Amino acid sequence: ELKVEQNPLFLSMQEGKNYTIYCNYSTTSDRLYWYRQDPGKSLESLFVLLSNGAVKQEGRLMASLDTKARLSTLHITAAVHDLSATYFCAVNTPGAQKLVFGQGTRLTINP
Amino acid sequence: SAVISQKPSRDICQRGTSLTIQCQVDSQVTMMFWYRQQPGQSLTLIATANQGSEATYESGFVIDKFPISRPNLTFSTLTVSNMSPEDSSIYLCSVGAGPLFGEAFFGQGTRLTVV
Repeated sequence: ELKVEQNPLFLSMQEGKNYTIYCNYSTTSDRLYWYRQDPGKSLESLFVLLSNGAVKQEGRLMASLDTKARLSTLHITAAVHDLSATYFCAVNTPGAQKLVFGQGTRLTINP
Repeated sequence: SAVISQKPSRDICQRGTSLTIQCQVDSQVTMMFWYRQQPGQSLTLIATANQGSEATYESGFVIDKFPISRPNLTFSTLTVSNMSPEDSSIYLCSVGAGPLFGEAFFGQGTRLTVV
């Protein structure tokens, strides 16, 4: 059974600092996704990572994938308050489109 | 990309009643997915809706409680039947799109409160 674990689950940090969210998954997968969710809102797609060593960056967020370690990271650089949200990683069941989600990381960035 | 319209966006329902949630996609897709997000929790897949066949339910979810329709390639409904307060959640539909269906897009969700 495919399991996805994120850590930390809660993260409070100061503006201007750097931090990393980790996402481990238990079995081989084709794709890894990162989403952002604001309170009361749906999921906003951030990144889709398809291959080992893939790295994608958008603004202050950078995601990477190590398929051998079954590990993805979401790195936040010089955090700003607007990045406060819950971040989810998800992986697809091999050969299928349905996703298994991590528990989510609730990120709070304080001025 | 795919644009997904879900309605209602929210509802407050009496226990014992049923609510049908609609999901409309702006392009034809083979599979549509229904997820549940309980308060403060992550997303859990309820079922996969295939056009022209019965939906495939995940462990812990049954058709009698969550009947799904998929009449065509752009539309699906999820019904939450005989509701109890434990059904209070956000329900989201999702589709795969893009090359090799590598992208997964979500509707805006339906926030259901059962009283």
